[in-house]
This record gives sequence, structure tokens and C-alpha cells, in this order.
Amino acid sequence: AQSVTQLDSQVPVFEEAPVELRCNYSSSVSVYLFWYVQYPNQGLQLLLKYLSGSTLVKGINGFEAEFNKSQTSFHLRKPSVHISDTAEYFCAAPRGNQFYFGTGTSLTVIP
Amino acid sequence: DGGITQSPKYLFRKEGQNVTLSCEQNLNHDAMYWYRQDPGQGLRLIYYSQIVNDFQKGDIAEGYSVSREKKESFPLTVTSAQKNPTAFYLCASSYVGRGAFFGQGTRLTVV
Repeated sequence: AQSVTQLDSQVPVFEEAPVELRCNYSSSVSVYLFWYVQYPNQGLQLLLKYLSGSTLVKGINGFEAEFNKSQTSFHLRKPSVHISDTAEYFCAAPRGNQFYFGTGTSLTVIP
Repeated sequence: DGGITQSPKYLFRKEGQNVTLSCEQNLNHDAMYWYRQDPGQGLRLIYYSQIVNDFQKGDIAEGYSVSREKKESFPLTVTSAQKNPTAFYLCASSYVGRGAFFGQGTRLTVV
């Protein structure tokens, strides 16, 4: 079973509009959850992480995510996107000694 | 500054050649990982290592080899047995079960 599932492969959104990128996790992974961003031809940069405590996590670049145990979700949100947010976004979680990623969501911000 | 360094950024390989991708970290992380990224397929785990002189195969280890002689270094060799090596390769390191930090990647092309 997929450990981490990203439900949308592509998300187009107009500049200054809100966006939500969806991520669901399976019970086989730990409840440490992460979002990464990847710009073209670059490595992955950590946006935010949930390890414990408050279920609402704030990250860099104005992004936030909410851990929802009952829905096994960790959706990423931003209230107003910029052109510079155009990138690939990955949800990730460790399982045992490995680190698993979703298949990614390509966010395109339209001027 | 602490970080993880991959080299080279671009690498070209002739058919039948072995090539080695370098990955060095000075974050004092125990765990290191190699991922392969192809368009539309997200990240796939090649090998990972939790401790010096020990490593385990990931989901797509065939045609690849690694070594972990030092905590800081985790080089990946793409052998001639790997029939389709053209891809973007990402190295990462982490404390076990925590967020991974990534290098900037190496783009390997077969010519």
C-alpha cells in the first residue's frame, strides 16, 4: 500500500488566490510528516514538518499545513500564492528506516 | 555552513561505462539516502544507509552500488548493468525518522 498519497498531480491556480495541495498518509508510516518544495533542476527544500504538538504547522514562504489524524491527512495551504510559488511539491513520511515520498504535485501559478 | 553537497551537477556517461556520483554531508547525520527522480514518477529510493559500513537496498537498487566507509560520505556508482540511467539523482541525509536534507542533485545523461 502506498505510504503517502498526493491526490493531485497538477494544480493550476491564479496569482493571489488560495491553494490547497492534498496529502494522505497510511497507518503504516510514522506520524512524522513533511512537505518539500522542488524548483526546476534543484534539490528538495524542506517547507515544514509535523513531529508532535500543535496540529497546525507553519512553514517557510507563507505555507502552512494541518495534521488531521481522523482523516489521515496533512494538506498544505497558502492563502495567497505568488508566481514564485510555481514548483513541484512533495509530501513525505518515514517508515521504519526508510523515507517515503508522494508522487508530487506540480503547482502552476497563473499571472 | 552545514549542508549536503553533491557533485558533479551534470554528468555524461557513455554506454557501458560505470560512473560515480559523490555525496558529502557535514550535518553529523547517521542516515543517508540516494533517490532517483524521473519525470512524472516522483522520487524512488535506490539505497540507504543508517550507519557506517552498512547499507540496504531500496526499491530500485538493480544496476547501482554504494559504499559507506565514512559517516560523511555516501557515493553512488551507476554501473553498466543499469540499462536506463538517464535521470536526476538526489542524495539526502537525516537523523533516523526525522526530516531529510537534500543536496542539489546530479543530472546524469547517457550519450
